Amino acid sequence: DVVMTQSPLSLPVTLGQPASISCRSSQSLVHSNGDIYLNWFQQRPGQSPRRLIYQVSNRDSGVPDRFTGTGSGTDFTLKISRVEAEDVGTYYCMQGTHWPRAFGQGTRLEIK
Amino acid sequence: EVQLVESGGGLVQPGGSLRLSCAASGFTFRSSAMNWVRHAPGRGLEWVATFSATTTNTYYANSVRGRFTISRDNSKNTLYLQMDSLRAEDTALYYCAKDWQLDSWGLGTLVTVSS
Repeated sequence: DVVMTQSPLSLPVTLGQPASISCRSSQSLVHSNGDIYLNWFQQRPGQSPRRLIYQVSNRDSGVPDRFTGTGSGTDFTLKISRVEAEDVGTYYCMQGTHWPRAFGQGTRLEIK
Repeated sequence: EVQLVESGGGLVQPGGSLRLSCAASGFTFRSSAMNWVRHAPGRGLEWVATFSATTTNTYYANSVRGRFTISRDNSKNTLYLQMDSLRAEDTALYYCAKDWQLDSWGLGTLVTVSS
């Protein structure tokens, strides 16, 4: 089974500063159709998860452009260019290429 | 607007059963793969099961295979999760989510397994 490993698990950030979360998979996430199904989700306190990024780098509708997804193969990154107060929460990567699906452990972003 | 509304959660004893439902609206349900994902207290998200869109293919996490059954009724726009032989470690908030890549989520329904 694919294992997703995120780092760091805790991320204190000053408002207005950038933030970066790494996600590594134990196997390549390139699907047989050539696409890479790596998603990023945000879960604010007390809310349901919300997908931010799909297929590595595509922002979902309504997601601010300060969120950027990059990566390939087994190495992926979510970057926030300037952290705002509403970004507090836990961020998860998830691979959607192989069965069973797998989430990373989650990265808790807090304001320093 | 996509809406997913879970129901059926509650308190159940270890070894017991529960059936969760997810009522869907705002999209073509029969054309969408559907999923269950859970969030246990103090833990991260865990994918549980997926039912494909146009076939009867189902997929399960190792932790629930043989105990949980995912199903759907396209005439009712409803997704189900039959949970049998429940264990304390199944205690969690259970979400349904739309599409192979989980693009929309419901608010969840809480399942507590305890004696």
